[in-house]
Amino acid sequence: GAGVSQSPSNKVTEKGKDVELRCDPISGHTALYWYRQSLGQGLEFLIYFQGNSAPDKSGLPSDRFSAERTGGSVSTLTIQRTQQEDSAVYLCASSSMPLGAGEKLFFGSGTQLSVL
Amino acid sequence: GESVGLHLPTLSVQEGDNSIINCAYSNSASDYFIWYKQESGKGPQFIIDIRSNMDKRQGQRVTVLLNKTVKHLSLQIAATQPGDSAVYFCAENRGFGNEKLTFGTGTRLTIIP
Repeated sequence: GAGVSQSPSNKVTEKGKDVELRCDPISGHTALYWYRQSLGQGLEFLIYFQGNSAPDKSGLPSDRFSAERTGGSVSTLTIQRTQQEDSAVYLCASSSMPLGAGEKLFFGSGTQLSVL
Repeated sequence: GESVGLHLPTLSVQEGDNSIINCAYSNSASDYFIWYKQESGKGPQFIIDIRSNMDKRQGQRVTVLLNKTVKHLSLQIAATQPGDSAVYFCAENRGFGNEKLTFGTGTRLTIIP
């Protein structure tokens, strides 16, 4: 596609419910990243995929958070038993090569998650 | 601890003037620095980057300066335009093999017409 696509753009859920956030990276991009942005804050790294593998999951805040990637393309971030502190914008990014090689990240517009 | 921080949370600049946004980092292992622009409701957009073996890099109307001695990074935007109004983030990376970007909290730049 033309850019990184995320869905839904907005998600309102009740505390304790599970949510799934989807990311469609730019076609052909092998590296995929999830970040979280709380109100008025910078971005917080969550997880990195290279292909379908996740070599770095160090940013996932708790075991309620998980992510998978299938077919080297679409990724889903799942938050179980959501808490109010999970409210944030969840941003996905992709790149054609690992960031450490100097490649640019292309970000989607994010999913605004609100936990009531 | 490690951090990437900004000196000023907000900055207002008259249209046509130059703007400078500053960023401090604390980790000497930082190898790669990037500036992002984020407009309301959108994801961050790459502006310019610089590696630790450089002290200056120029793009179209933007210049990034890196001072490793004092661990300071700046973004200069020349001849600002209304479209430059956004939040600007600096981010750092530790180079090959490390895929994590550490972001600062951002500076909101407002261009006054």
